[in-house]
Amino acid sequence: QSVLTQPPSASGTPGQRVTISCSGSSSNVGSNTINWYQQFPGTAPKLLIHTNDQRPSGVPDRFSGSKSGTSASLAISGLQSEDEADYYCAAWDGSLNGWVFGGGTKVIVL
Amino acid sequence: QVQLVESGGGVVQPGRSLRLSCAASGFIFSNYGMHWVRQAPGKGLEWVAVISYDGGKTYFADSVKGRFTISRDNSRNTLDLQMNSLRTEDTAVYYCARDQNPFGDFYFDSWGQGTLVTVSS
Repeated sequence: QSVLTQPPSASGTPGQRVTISCSGSSSNVGSNTINWYQQFPGTAPKLLIHTNDQRPSGVPDRFSGSKSGTSASLAISGLQSEDEADYYCAAWDGSLNGWVFGGGTKVIVL
Repeated sequence: QVQLVESGGGVVQPGRSLRLSCAASGFIFSNYGMHWVRQAPGKGLEWVAVISYDGGKTYFADSVKGRFTISRDNSRNTLDLQMNSLRTEDTAVYYCARDQNPFGDFYFDSWGQGTLVTVSS
């Protein structure tokens, strides 16, 4: 059972908008910034969004992040077939003195 | 460019030890906190441990506390993970990752390709 809660899957057709939620508590999401990682099968994760809503250079602007209270969201606008991957949220947890991840969400492009 | 290359994975029996290494290049290693993150087969990511830029602070996941130690050699640009009393549930791909912050509490901005550890009798 992951400390941060994500839906196991999300899907959409090309061009649609897909949103992935990440729910935590006051000791993690509520008091620290959220980061999102993208992972394709058999490869290492890659930083997608950091500090709640910041995109590293090279990440398409169809990816966006937001946070409110103890929940955060990752949105993919204009969904493309190459966006089919696993997505993980992560935050520092001040009570555990460690990092916690969500269980991951598999995005399926129909 | 930033490069992180893990090594040391393999098959080990339960209760035995294994040491993983991560060779860093392309950046000033001593300026950054470093992490180990693992992923069991078919499962999600699990953070394992972090070490601050100077090795002065370390934190561990409860699942490995007391069994694993993390260390770094800033003169050789290497990060290590000493894993003792290994259990079958430690079977995973182990990634080293760089933190954007010297104390390891910001975000993981670069990852290695991972090394597979299999704990089995």
